[in-house]
Amino acid sequence: NAGVTQTPKFRVLKTGQSMTLLCAQDMNHEYMYWYRQDPGMGLRLIHYSVGEGTTAKGEVPDGYNVSRLKKQNFLLGLESAAPSQTSVYFCASSYRTGADYGYTFGSGTRLTVV
Amino acid sequence: DAKTTQPTSMDCAEGRAANLPCNHSTISGNEYVYWYRQIHSQGPQYIIHGLKNNETNEMASLIITEDRKSSTLILPHATLRDTAVYYCIVSRASGGSYIPTFGRGTSLIVHP
Repeated sequence: NAGVTQTPKFRVLKTGQSMTLLCAQDMNHEYMYWYRQDPGMGLRLIHYSVGEGTTAKGEVPDGYNVSRLKKQNFLLGLESAAPSQTSVYFCASSYRTGADYGYTFGSGTRLTVV
Repeated sequence: DAKTTQPTSMDCAEGRAANLPCNHSTISGNEYVYWYRQIHSQGPQYIIHGLKNNETNEMASLIITEDRKSSTLILPHATLRDTAVYYCIVSRASGGSYIPTFGRGTSLIVHP
């Protein structure tokens, strides 16, 4: 039982390049989330999904797109990377939210945009 | 949406109890209080959660005040491995769903 797996773990991009971060969970969770964390900061929600085929914007969605084609996968895309997107990205999942369920996080993807 | 306020940093001697406070004065009746910790930029790790009653598990205890406006996470016998950033969050509502919102947390340093 792997939990939440993020790939890749590290990546360096040049400004303007594109990439996709993959999050996979094997717990049959309904909800999935993408956060970013900058030095000395808490986690800020980028996008989230409450089920297969549905996505919604979080606090800082600009410059990112997401897709949830399969229940177990949640993809985060950067179409044209900018240095401001240098950050650590965390994916999380949960059965549902609010009512007595916790969240499981991945180990993070460290992205540097030069 | 309910917000949380935590001290920026705290320290504790190894073997002693660490008491981490959290203020969530705007919490609504159906919102839960969750505690997570993040060790050295790893993914946050779930510790404990509660609605109105005090809770205890193998990691910690959670004390929620009767008015639910604040809570305290207690690590009964802190070890050096408990040095981490601790996040108190309240699950908020967004379009009918509850989405966790994280602040900056409390940086706990456990010293020998």
